[in-house]
Amino acid sequence: DVKVTQSSRYLVKRTGEKVFLECVQDMDHENMFWYRQDPGLGLRLIYFSYDVKMKEKGDIPEGYSVSREKKERFSLILESASTNQTSMYLCASRTAHNTEAFFGQGTRLTVV
Amino acid sequence: DAKTTQPNSMESNEEEPVHLPCNHSTISGTDYIHWYRQLPSQGPEYVIHGLTSNVNNRMASLAIAEDRKSSTLILHRATLRDAAVYYCILSNFGNEKLTFGTGTRLTIIP
Repeated sequence: DVKVTQSSRYLVKRTGEKVFLECVQDMDHENMFWYRQDPGLGLRLIYFSYDVKMKEKGDIPEGYSVSREKKERFSLILESASTNQTSMYLCASRTAHNTEAFFGQGTRLTVV
Repeated sequence: DAKTTQPNSMESNEEEPVHLPCNHSTISGTDYIHWYRQLPSQGPEYVIHGLTSNVNNRMASLAIAEDRKSSTLILHRATLRDAAVYYCILSNFGNEKLTFGTGTRLTIIP
């Protein structure tokens, strides 16, 4: 079974903490994505990566950074967590624009 | 980037066909049309995609208008398990972003 695995289902962090959300895929996909999902706003793209060490900003990159040192792993970093970053975070991967994407189960992050 | 427009919500009776519309009037010739759905408390899952011709798979059918400015996802016989948010997305070579909108929330009435 193909898999996209996010390191945590639930996470609680304090304001100002540095937070790492990890995503690993086992399908040798070139493209990986990070989204956040909030009620009424749908899925919003934060960052995506099309190759190792390559990244592009999505629609809402402010307050986030990413790292892709290995093809299978894509990390989302909140340099200094704030309460408005409380959200569901979803990771996805796919080979190319004309192939299906696979999603992880999501990480529900609460910043207090 | 080409955008898609979908109704916010739709209802359908169980065991009847469902037609979910999507408008994409600014679609380019190389944009693929993708559909995903998100069941409650889960990540999105792929449903179907196509370029120009109608497509069928075990989950659904995708009907693409001749001018490609709209498409319709068809669930042939809705079940309660099909209640989800359905997203219509365009994706293009050279623009690998996968950008979702707010989708259509489908409610199935028993």
